[in-house]
Amino acid sequence: EVQLVESGGGLVQPGGSLRLSCAASGFTFSSYWMHWVRQVPGKGLVWVSRISNDGRTTGYADSVKGRFTISRDNAKNTLYLQMNSLRVEDTAVYYCARGIVIIPAGVVDYWGQGILVTVSS
Amino acid sequence: DIVMTQSPDSLAVSLGERATINCKSSQSVLYSSNSKNYLAWYQQKPGQSPRLLIYWASTRESGVPDRFSGSGSGTDFTLTISSLQAEDVAVYYCQQYYTNPSFGQGTKLEIK
Repeated sequence: EVQLVESGGGLVQPGGSLRLSCAASGFTFSSYWMHWVRQVPGKGLVWVSRISNDGRTTGYADSVKGRFTISRDNAKNTLYLQMNSLRVEDTAVYYCARGIVIIPAGVVDYWGQGILVTVSS
Repeated sequence: DIVMTQSPDSLAVSLGERATINCKSSQSVLYSSNSKNYLAWYQQKPGQSPRLLIYWASTRESGVPDRFSGSGSGTDFTLTISSLQAEDVAVYYCQQYYTNPSFGQGTKLEIK
């Protein structure tokens, strides 16, 4: 069974940093692109970032470019999102998600349960 | 950036009736070299993570009931639920992946 479990969320002050982790199991992690998608509670989905299966190719939404860094450790089956210079508007539930095989860079099939990040003073 | 706009924002349909959700992109998501529309649909039930329903505008993901269908091309797309079931109550999102992915604002589907 595919499982994606996010951790590392919480309350942080504006300008602060946080690193999210996503532990993957139930599939060959090193074969799949991975994504982060966020959602303000009660609002819509917003794509944040993606990384290729080998970690060499990354992409970011304009809203987080230069502040967030996606990475992965295939030996540990873990995806990361380093979030720096956090803003109030980054407050959201962050989902880790797996890219589908035939459209890895754009479509996701499995999602984690999400982790709440709150940026507030 | 491609902006995705869904209509309506909310919809109430009787059990067993057809539900139709529309999605419009600010520019075409049809890739001419392979004639594929880079458009997906997701379902998010209350308190749950999203679920992939359809990609390439009309290809159902494995395990998705055949009452769900997608259609459209270019900039205008539709998700149709042919006979609404109680378990279909959810928010539905379209998403383009022609460029960096972007989602529509969501359409809340309820039972009338």
